[in-house]
Amino acid sequence: GAGVSQSPSNKVTEKGKDVELRCDPISGHTALYWYRQSLGQGLEFLIYFQGNSAPDKSGLPSDRFSAERTGGSVSTLTIQRTQQEDSAVYLCASSSRVTTYEQYFGPGTRLTVT
Amino acid sequence: TQLLEQSPQFLSIQEGENLTVYCNSSSVFSSLQWYRQEPGEGPVLLVTVVTGGEVKKLKRLTFQFGDARKDSSLHITAAQPGDTGLYLCAGDSGGSNYKLTFGKGTLLTVNP
Repeated sequence: GAGVSQSPSNKVTEKGKDVELRCDPISGHTALYWYRQSLGQGLEFLIYFQGNSAPDKSGLPSDRFSAERTGGSVSTLTIQRTQQEDSAVYLCASSSRVTTYEQYFGPGTRLTVT
Repeated sequence: TQLLEQSPQFLSIQEGENLTVYCNSSSVFSSLQWYRQEPGEGPVLLVTVVTGGEVKKLKRLTFQFGDARKDSSLHITAAQPGDTGLYLCAGDSGGSNYKLTFGKGTLLTVNP
């Protein structure tokens, strides 16, 4: 079956502009996660959804970052007024409700803020 | 805060050599996952180990979970260029905690 998909694969934006990153999880996976991966920094947890609710937003680095999930499926991560330090690869993962430790990742969106 | 330390950070070897990558923590994990990530791709789940002392084999890859469930190792026999990638370990602290703790990874290059 289809894996996790993300779009766009690459995004170049000017400092100060808003961007939207999309994630389409594996069908039937109720849990969805957003991570950020910067060179040499590993994977940084951003937010977790169970269904449409986000019980844990603790990893969002600032109030410029927000995310939503609709219909228990597609999720959008929005970054407002982008800064150069937002440049990174943004990864989305999904898992079943039961085996949340086995997360399946999408290919990521590489964001470059110029 | 739980941390997972991976070593070595970088490893460059010749095709046919054996290697071991380590993932260590002072914290106990309910399970531990190993992922491989290739350039431009997301991490791909290789294996989950759950029981202390557990050994799992995936072709030429052998994964071991420490008896105390604080550490893990990945051993590759007769490495091939196709094994090149970033190897990440991730720990799950169990219960209702869904958040994985990731190590920073070992970047493996296998030269032909």
